[in-house]
Amino acid sequence: GESVGLHLPTLSVQEGDNSIINCAYSNSASDYFIWYKQESGKGPQFIIDIRSNMDKRQGQRVTVLLNKTVKHLSLQIAATQPGDSAVYFCAEMQGTYKYIFGTGTRLKVLA
Amino acid sequence: ETGVTQSPTHLIKTRGQQVTLRCSSQSGHNTVSWYQQALGQGPQFIFQYYREEENGRGNFPPRFSGLQFPNYSSELNVNALELDDSALYLCASSPGGVGMNTEAFFGQGTRLTVV
Repeated sequence: GESVGLHLPTLSVQEGDNSIINCAYSNSASDYFIWYKQESGKGPQFIIDIRSNMDKRQGQRVTVLLNKTVKHLSLQIAATQPGDSAVYFCAEMQGTYKYIFGTGTRLKVLA
Repeated sequence: ETGVTQSPTHLIKTRGQQVTLRCSSQSGHNTVSWYQQALGQGPQFIFQYYREEENGRGNFPPRFSGLQFPNYSSELNVNALELDDSALYLCASSPGGVGMNTEAFFGQGTRLTVV
């Protein structure tokens, strides 16, 4: 079946550096994607979304890039802070009603 | 804060029992979805309700059922609990209707442990 996967299960980054979290998706027909952040004991928190008619979208300290040719998403976090430590999921909307989540990447920010 | 609240936050049940989990969506959100998140995994879609009707279901058996009420609250019911049902159950609401791609706002989840 269709799935969304992540390349790296754990990413360690020095505080102040930029972080890049990658995600591969398999459904070329998908047209909406979201990045979520999940802290321990909490539900996923929306970070940024992107539609398939865009290649790039920027938010506050975050940028999402979409490469439809290779079915790849990335989340870039600028000037990574300790509060960014969490598990990050990309999610792909499948059909008209459900999101397919990957396993997640744990981001560890080193002081 | 997402405006989506779930209760209870933690629950312990015995295998074979039944459980009801509750969710209160943001006012005005007509769509609610439920997800199961096993430890170390991403959320898995259980089903979605739109205006009190189920309009999509994931790969979960019929003993997982739900209800959505006009006051933006919803329930997830699980019968004949199994040990593998132990997980974090997440409720997500969104303002969009069927066919509208919009972000989903998640609650903090209910941690269910089946012993």
